[in-house]
Amino acid sequence: DVKVTQSSRYLVKRTGEKVFLECVQDMDHENMFWYRQDPGLGLRLIYFSYDVKMKEKGDIPEGYSVSREKKERFSLILESASTNQTSMYLCASSLWGTGPNTEAFFGQGTRLTVV
Amino acid sequence: AQTVTQSQPEMSVQEAETVTLSCTYDTSESDYYLFWYKQPPSRQMILVIRQEAYKQQNATENRFSVNFQKAAKSFSLKISDSQLGDAAMYFCAYTGANSKLTFGKGITLSVRP
Repeated sequence: DVKVTQSSRYLVKRTGEKVFLECVQDMDHENMFWYRQDPGLGLRLIYFSYDVKMKEKGDIPEGYSVSREKKERFSLILESASTNQTSMYLCASSLWGTGPNTEAFFGQGTRLTVV
Repeated sequence: AQTVTQSQPEMSVQEAETVTLSCTYDTSESDYYLFWYKQPPSRQMILVIRQEAYKQQNATENRFSVNFQKAAKSFSLKISDSQLGDAAMYFCAYTGANSKLTFGKGITLSVRP
């Protein structure tokens, strides 16, 4: 079974803190994604990586950065957390391309609260 | 850019009845995949069903089936014999040549006993 593991299920941080959300997958997937989920807004893509050290901005990259030094690990960084970054964060991974087995697999989500 | 639209925020269905969740999308690509994902209260996203754009036949997985209308760019999910465990948020999603996965806003499905 594919496993995508996020480092924390719940996280509380203070405004201005640097926050790291970690995601690890064990299926040798090329693609990894970070989404933010807010009520009424669905899942919005923050950043996408299709290979080690490669990244692309998604729809809402402002205030975030990412790091992918190893294929299995994709980190989301909030350089200076703000209250408007309080949200649910979902990590996902998938194979590259549009073949029959390219669906995304998700972690369990991290609910981040910035106070 | 590709977009996915789910215009109904909520739906309700009686247990054992059938319900259809709507999704439309916009793309200029010819080769792509569409997905329906389920997110129960546990928050774990689960793949329900997938459809390749080149396949004419609508995908089916047990009680779940899709109505894929490529020309209309429509991709609806039909749930037959609804069960209490079907209550969840459902997301429609698109992926194309660049492997980016784009989601709709989701729909909350409740099932009445």
